[in-house]
Amino acid sequence: SQKIEQNSEALNIQEGKTATLTCNYTNYSPAYLQWYRQDPGRGPVFLLLIRENEKEKRKERLKVTFDTTLKQSLFHITASQPADSATYLCALDFTGGGNKLTFGTGTQLKVEL
Amino acid sequence: GAVVSQHPSRVICKSGTSVKIECRSLDFQATTMFWYRQFPKKSLMLMATSNEGSKATYEQGVEKDKFLINHASLTLSTLTVTSAHPEDSSFYICSARDGSEGGEQFFGPGTRLTVL
Repeated sequence: SQKIEQNSEALNIQEGKTATLTCNYTNYSPAYLQWYRQDPGRGPVFLLLIRENEKEKRKERLKVTFDTTLKQSLFHITASQPADSATYLCALDFTGGGNKLTFGTGTQLKVEL
Repeated sequence: GAVVSQHPSRVICKSGTSVKIECRSLDFQATTMFWYRQFPKKSLMLMATSNEGSKATYEQGVEKDKFLINHASLTLSTLTVTSAHPEDSSFYICSARDGSEGGEQFFGPGTRLTVL
């Protein structure tokens, strides 16, 4: 069965540094791969979407890469700020229609002063 | 734009009672709505997908008679947890899509259900 792995250990980094989170999956590649942010006790918030034929996507301080050979996506936050502290979830859409997302367990990021 | 609300945000009920959770898309018409369940430090687990005016599609292992879903309009879906038991205590989150290509989902703030 399809597995999605995100580092379960929390990532602690210093303010101003670049945070890099990984999302690895097994078996076949999704049509789309999405990243969400989730704060404690809240629903996820959509950040970025990347298609299987795209290698990189940027939005302000965020960058996502998608390597279908490695079966991996990397999520980068540059010039990180304490307000970036949250849990980041990757979600895979294998159907391409956006009607079923399979979520990873998320990685907690803590940006320290 | 793309705001989804949920009500209530928190509910405590006695075992055996039924609880209804509402999910509304406030500024767009949601062709499809989704219901998820999330346990502490766990991933979101899709429970069911509902399209306006049709029956919901439940994921394997989710009891449709236990978790009743109604999607009566393009802006409202409801999840009713029937005869709730303590093991139903969880964080329930809905999301919605507006039908645009790409597939991002807009999530509600979630409902914390505690069954005593």
